[in-house]
Amino acid sequence: DAMVIQNPRYQVTQFGKPVTLSCSQTLNHNVMYWYQQKSSQAPKLLFHYYDKDFNNEADTPDNFQSRRPNTSFCFLDIRSPGLGDAAMYLCATSRSGASTDTQYFGPGTRLTVL
Amino acid sequence: RKEVEQDPGPFNVPEGATVAFNCTYSNSASQSFFWYRQDCRKEPKLLMSVYSSGNEDGRFTAQLNRASQYISLLIRDSKLSDSATYLCVVNIGRTGNQFYFGTGTSLTVIP
Repeated sequence: DAMVIQNPRYQVTQFGKPVTLSCSQTLNHNVMYWYQQKSSQAPKLLFHYYDKDFNNEADTPDNFQSRRPNTSFCFLDIRSPGLGDAAMYLCATSRSGASTDTQYFGPGTRLTVL
Repeated sequence: RKEVEQDPGPFNVPEGATVAFNCTYSNSASQSFFWYRQDCRKEPKLLMSVYSSGNEDGRFTAQLNRASQYISLLIRDSKLSDSATYLCVVNIGRTGNQFYFGTGTSLTVIP
């Protein structure tokens, strides 16, 4: 049974055309994360929510925004995608932010920018 | 210095071989440790958590050395299906960005 779900799995957008990626979870976890992963690189944290509290990484471009309307859903908005934003976008959750937490990843959305 | 460092490999080993990966971490306050497996163009999947006493799951053994700040993963009797990238992940146990990833070690098991 899917626990962290991402839609769509593949997204093609045009340069500069806003795009929204979706993540939902059935785990009732407090923390949700968005990562960007490019080929042969480690996932790079963009931001995370601890419940409703939004935490942005210092080096995340302003072009990337996020919304978490409820516990189950979290969205990644890319306002004006550039060619360099083509990547796999991974959503992850963890239970409570505790030191013993484990992360669970969704299947990812692969974004292509034309 | 990176929080988590891994040898990126690639490791190319014959089927049936034993292979070991190491990962070092810089924050001595790190709380918990994990190995994830990531197949090409897929999401990371938890392979195993790493406990202080060491733990084993079938052909996979993970060890933690807090004094030297490294963790290891040993794969015995390698299978073709073990071919993947293995990510070392450390939870430094603070609010905010608490999970740090290594860049991954690529393993290819050759028939």
